[in-house]
Amino acid sequence: GDSVTQMEGPVTLSEEAFLTINCTYTATGYPSLFWYVQYPGEGLQLLLKATKADDKGSNKGFEATYRKETTSFHLEKGSVQVSDSAVYFCALTSNRDDKIIFGKGTRLHILP
Amino acid sequence: EPEVTQTPSHQVTQMGQEVILRCVPISNHLYFYWYRQILGQKVEFLVSFYNNEISEKSEIFDDQFSVERPDGSNFTLKIRSTKLEDSAMYFCASSNVARGDTIYFGEGSWLTVV
Repeated sequence: GDSVTQMEGPVTLSEEAFLTINCTYTATGYPSLFWYVQYPGEGLQLLLKATKADDKGSNKGFEATYRKETTSFHLEKGSVQVSDSAVYFCALTSNRDDKIIFGKGTRLHILP
Repeated sequence: EPEVTQTPSHQVTQMGQEVILRCVPISNHLYFYWYRQILGQKVEFLVSFYNNEISEKSEIFDDQFSVERPDGSNFTLKIRSTKLEDSAMYFCASSNVARGDTIYFGEGSWLTVV
């Protein structure tokens, strides 16, 4: 079945460092891809999405490009801030059923 | 911006008790979901609901779980006889269109079974 694999955390970076969180997926057809973020004590918030190959989703300085050839949707940010500390979930929805499938999440710690 | 709201934010219940978690989805959405996240683990799909019936459910969603849309705005998850392993964050979600559309999540209801 469909699945999402993302890099294990925790990831610890200094403020202003470059961030990459890897995400790859397995799906039949043409899934839509998402990154959700969960800040401490809060729920899941949509960070960005891409619905077709070569689309780039972006929000709050984060970017991810839908790469069909490598089945990837890596999350990047050029200069992270302490406030970016959170758990990041890569996810997909398919055209075959109703649910969203999440990766295991990557905890990100940004040090001042 | 419209949002999914959930109550209660935190509930502690004794094993064997019934629990009802409530959700108000975004008003023009047609598809409703419950997910759960056991502490430190991944977010898992429980059930999807459309047109007043369950459209899909996972193997986690056994006979002790049920969902209902009692009126035009609320969407509830009932756990009939809670077990210790039901302790988790339960997320309600909704979307306007199924299959590929963005799903919007509430802030979650944290259930602790003791």
